[in-house]
Amino acid sequence: QVQLVQSGAEVKKPGSSVRVSCKASGGTFGNYAISWVRQAPGQRLEWLGGITPIFGTANYAQKFQGRVTITADTSTNTAYMEMSSLRSEDTAIYYCAKDFITAVENGGNPYNWYDPWGQGTLVTVSS
Amino acid sequence: EIVLTQSPATLSVSPGERATLSCRASQTIRNSLAWYQHKPGQAPRLLIYGASTRATGVPARFSGSGSGTEFTLTINSLQSDDLAVYYCQQYNTWPPYMYSFGQGTRLEIK
Repeated sequence: QVQLVQSGAEVKKPGSSVRVSCKASGGTFGNYAISWVRQAPGQRLEWLGGITPIFGTANYAQKFQGRVTITADTSTNTAYMEMSSLRSEDTAIYYCAKDFITAVENGGNPYNWYDPWGQGTLVTVSS
Repeated sequence: EIVLTQSPATLSVSPGERATLSCRASQTIRNSLAWYQHKPGQAPRLLIYGASTRATGVPARFSGSGSGTEFTLTINSLQSDDLAVYYCQQYNTWPPYMYSFGQGTRLEIK
């Protein structure tokens, strides 16, 4: 069973960028997509976007299009989420999660429900 | 955008009793709904997908039901370890890619 291990907490200034990594441990991503989800204090979970590493194709929630870039390196089984132009409202715990079934199994849609999740990375945006 | 509304916001139940959590979608999502258990400081844990299929290793005390716009997570024989926030998530729409979560139900043990 693959586990997802994320990079450590980050403190960033407003206007800067942050990159969070998510490494598959004990396996590979295979044909599955990796999604990124965040939870700001007192807010519900929010899907940012995802990628199918084997194809390198990323998709984004409209809200984050242009400000979030999701990439993956299949040689190291690591996915990355980079967010630019950070503001205080981006303070949140950021999770990566493996989509449970492949696009082939899901009628062409690579994104579905998530298992497992990474442990989360706290990103604090503060001046 | 599909909005998921969970109720109640907080539920207090005694050990051994049953907890019933609801999730309502703003438009039909067929059975494209998952439930997660989220404990403080931990990653969310998948409980149910396809509205009613238990994930591997999830006790039979947890069950999901519903389709369309109304969904329920039922936890029987409540245990102290069930203290957590429970979220529903829909994965029905694409493209565009819009996957949404409910605001969560906090389950307290009396």
